[in-house]
Amino acid sequence: DTGVSQNPRHKITKRGQNVTFRCDPISEHNRLYWYRQTLGQGPEFLTYFQNEAQLEKSRLLSDRFSAERPKGSFSTLEIQRTEQGDSAMYLCASSSRLAGASKYEQYFGPGTRLTVT
Amino acid sequence: AQSVSQHNHHVILSEAASLELGCNYSYGGTVNLFWYVQYPGQHLQLLLKYFSGDPLVKGIKGFEAEFIKSKFSFNLRKPSVQWSDTAEYFCAVNGGADGLTFGKGTHLIIQP
Repeated sequence: DTGVSQNPRHKITKRGQNVTFRCDPISEHNRLYWYRQTLGQGPEFLTYFQNEAQLEKSRLLSDRFSAERPKGSFSTLEIQRTEQGDSAMYLCASSSRLAGASKYEQYFGPGTRLTVT
Repeated sequence: AQSVSQHNHHVILSEAASLELGCNYSYGGTVNLFWYVQYPGQHLQLLLKYFSGDPLVKGIKGFEAEFIKSKFSFNLRKPSVQWSDTAEYFCAVNGGADGLTFGKGTHLIIQP
């Protein structure tokens, strides 16, 4: 059973640069989520896809952030013109296409740690 | 908007002690409740979940949690902790939205 994978695991970038992260969900899962986690905090929801459709976006997702899931499989999260405040762990999760409450059972990847210098 | 409050940010216990971690949420409708655990150097793992039915749910590694609707609580318990339970524990709720709302976490240290 392959879990959720994320690449890269670590990214160091200079302020003002663009970065892109990739998430590969569990293969049979059609729901995909992005979260951000800063030190001492729990994960904060950013956005959610069902198949290729982006159905929900948090107001945390500023216009510098964009997420895509073009074929309903892997997803990318891009941050343009990075700021030091963007430094965080970016987590991806997926959940299954089952009906009922089980579709809310999310499985997390290892995360991408972003450091903006 | 929903929110989750975890009362203890740092807990230190000795092995074999009993554990109870508090979690309260604010949301007036139907909720799904979760506890996740993050062991050192590992990613978030689902410990247990409550969707409906019996309010006392059992998870992996001897953990259990009780949903008390009138108190908006979902406390995590374990009768006898082990050194390997040292980890960060997060309570999360999902109600009216697809994303999870997490608490700030409780850092649990078990001393041998």
